[in-house]
Amino acid sequence: DAGVTQSPTHLIKTRGQHVTLRCSPISGHKSVSWYQQVLGQGPQFIFQYYEKEERGRGNFPDRFSARQFPNYSSELNVNALLLGDSALYLCASSLLWTGGYEQYFGPGTRLTVT
Amino acid sequence: DAKTTQPNSMESNEEEPVHLPCNHSTISGTDYIHWYRQLPSQGPEYVIHGLTSNVNNRMASLAIAEDRKSSTLILHRATLRDAAVYYCILGTGTASKLTFGTGTRLQVTL
Repeated sequence: DAGVTQSPTHLIKTRGQHVTLRCSPISGHKSVSWYQQVLGQGPQFIFQYYEKEERGRGNFPDRFSARQFPNYSSELNVNALLLGDSALYLCASSLLWTGGYEQYFGPGTRLTVT
Repeated sequence: DAKTTQPNSMESNEEEPVHLPCNHSTISGTDYIHWYRQLPSQGPEYVIHGLTSNVNNRMASLAIAEDRKSSTLILHRATLRDAAVYYCILGTGTASKLTFGTGTRLQVTL
């Protein structure tokens, strides 16, 4: 079975630009979460979606937004990019949205903002 | 968010058991104890999770203290491929948000 897939793998953007990152969950998984991992730190929670509804939001500015589609895939959008947005963006999927279920992570999208 | 405390680093010899400790003294009754690991340049990988009872799977065992304020991840025979950062995380029963700390960097040597 295919795992969580993310695209693109790498991305270079300029300050002020907008970026869209995509994620396809494991088949049958209805919950998708997004994390940001800055070099040398653990991943930080950004959003969680379940059945197209936002179930959780981390401490990130409004420049960050996300949505989930009827096929459970998801997009993360970041507007007005800053140098500090350079990071590995991870998507994780799980069967349900509660803490009793394990999450499976994709390989991530490496975003570099110059 | 309930927090966990882990040692920054540990070392092990290959083919020996490894016990990775985690303290979570503020755990609530509905918090699950999760362990993930992250190899260099990869996304985190699920290892194991549990609520109250000890758990075993093909990767590891999870031993949970009776008062649930601490837990131990047990790798029965460490290999070089187990060298990674191991994160102990509490997953609240009402959301699957994972709050990662700094984790334990495990080094495995021949």
